[in-house]
Amino acid sequence: NAGVTQTPKFQVLKTGQSMTLQCAQDMNHEYMSWYRQDPGMGLRLIHYSVGAGITDQGEVPNGYNVSRSTTEDFPLRLLSAAPSQTSVYFCASSLTGYSNQPQHFGDGTRLSIL
Amino acid sequence: KNQVEQSPQSLIILEGKNCTLQCNYTVSPFSNLRWYKQDTGRGPVSLTIMTFSENTKSNGRYTATLDADTKQSSLHITASQLSDSASYICVVRINTGTASKLTFGTGTRLQVTL
Repeated sequence: NAGVTQTPKFQVLKTGQSMTLQCAQDMNHEYMSWYRQDPGMGLRLIHYSVGAGITDQGEVPNGYNVSRSTTEDFPLRLLSAAPSQTSVYFCASSLTGYSNQPQHFGDGTRLSIL
Repeated sequence: KNQVEQSPQSLIILEGKNCTLQCNYTVSPFSNLRWYKQDTGRGPVSLTIMTFSENTKSNGRYTATLDADTKQSSLHITASQLSDSASYICVVRINTGTASKLTFGTGTRLQVTL
C-alpha cells in the first residue's frame, strides 16, 4: 500500500517556467489537497478537491492551478514560476473532507525557483 | 483571526526522559484538534485526533490532552527515544460545514540525544 505518492522529490526551475507536481493516492480517498510549507510558518492550503471533477481554492491559490479528473490523481500546476514559490509542497488525502479522519501526507516536493 | 500557537519552538532532551509540548489556539468554531509528527524530509504523520468531548487520547508513548474551555492542548511523550526526534505539529479543524479547514501551528522541533 503506497499511500500518497508525490513526484518529483526535488526540482529546480527558472523564473517564468511552468511545471506540474504530481500526486497520486491508492486509498480511494475522496478528499485531496495541496499545501506549501515555508520556514517559520504553518502549512498553508493552496487548493483542495472533495472528489473527481470538483476543486476549490484554499488560502494561497494565486499562481497555481489544479484539476481532478480521477479519484487517484491531483496534480498541481505552476503556471509561471516565481521565486516566492520556492517552498516544500505537500499533497494530502483523507477519506472525506467532512470527518474526523486523519489526512495522509506524501513526502513532499522540494521546489527551488531561481 | 484563527491562530494556533505552539511552544516551545524547539526542545532538546536526553533519551529516556519525558517531555510535554504545548498548543494554544484561538480557532473558532472548533471541530477537532490533531497532533502530527514530521520527521526531517518527510510528510506529517497523524498521531492523535481529539474532538470537543475528548480530554485525553493516547497513541503508544504519546498522550495528548485537550481543554476546550481554555483552548489548550498538550502532547506528552513518555520515555523518549532517539526516533522521537522530529517536529510536532498541532492542527485545529474549523467546523464550517464545508470541507476540511485546517489551521496549522508552526511546530515544536524536538531533539532527543544520548
